[in-house]
Amino acid sequence: SYVLTQPPSVSVAPGETATIACGGNNVGAKSVHWYQQKPGLAPMLVIYYDRDRPSGIPGRFSGSNSGNTATLTISRVEAGDEADYYCQVWDTTSDDDHEGVFGGGTRLTVL
Amino acid sequence: QVQLQESGPGVVKPSETLSLTCAVSGASVTSGIYYWSWIRQPPGKGPEWIGYIYNNGRTKYNPSLKSRVAISLDTSSNQFSLNLVSVTTADTAIYYCARGATVTGRAFDFWGQGTQVTVSA
Repeated sequence: SYVLTQPPSVSVAPGETATIACGGNNVGAKSVHWYQQKPGLAPMLVIYYDRDRPSGIPGRFSGSNSGNTATLTISRVEAGDEADYYCQVWDTTSDDDHEGVFGGGTRLTVL
Repeated sequence: QVQLQESGPGVVKPSETLSLTCAVSGASVTSGIYYWSWIRQPPGKGPEWIGYIYNNGRTKYNPSLKSRVAISLDTSSNQFSLNLVSVTTADTAIYYCARGATVTGRAFDFWGQGTQVTVSA
């Protein structure tokens, strides 16, 4: 089955830029979605289709996807961005359907 | 305003069946533009997709759970359900229901608040 690999942790100072990678075999050929999860809450979609933002998500959140790595970038990081971030794709199966795959998650710490 | 709400027992005994229901409001489970999924998250771990059901009843399951899981649709009540048989302590997790929309590449754009299920004798 398809595997997505994320670094366990990323730390940045307020106002700096956080970059969270999501590695997978030719992940650039898939659409990557990103979720933010704060303690005690359900995950929340912050990026879909590699780079699109749902309504209400600040423009500081952006995404890219190419080759074997997708990237979530958070500019001008704020204390409120401290959370776990997960990437997710739909992997095509042998019966031409799709199954959901999540990365292991990255904890963003704001110093 | 789309809302999803999980319900079901918080404790299930080993070898028994875990049954949860997700009530949907603000969207129809019969719509052809949504996929309705169950996702779980064990303590201290990331989310794991369990499976989805489409409006015509078509289902797709995580291969690791396929032999034990079934998802069904109740269109009269606008809800969908999860059954997981022969549970073990490894099935202890927060269980979420979520909506995937075709217009967003089936990203999970709305989630329930989650329900804690503990497998314990």
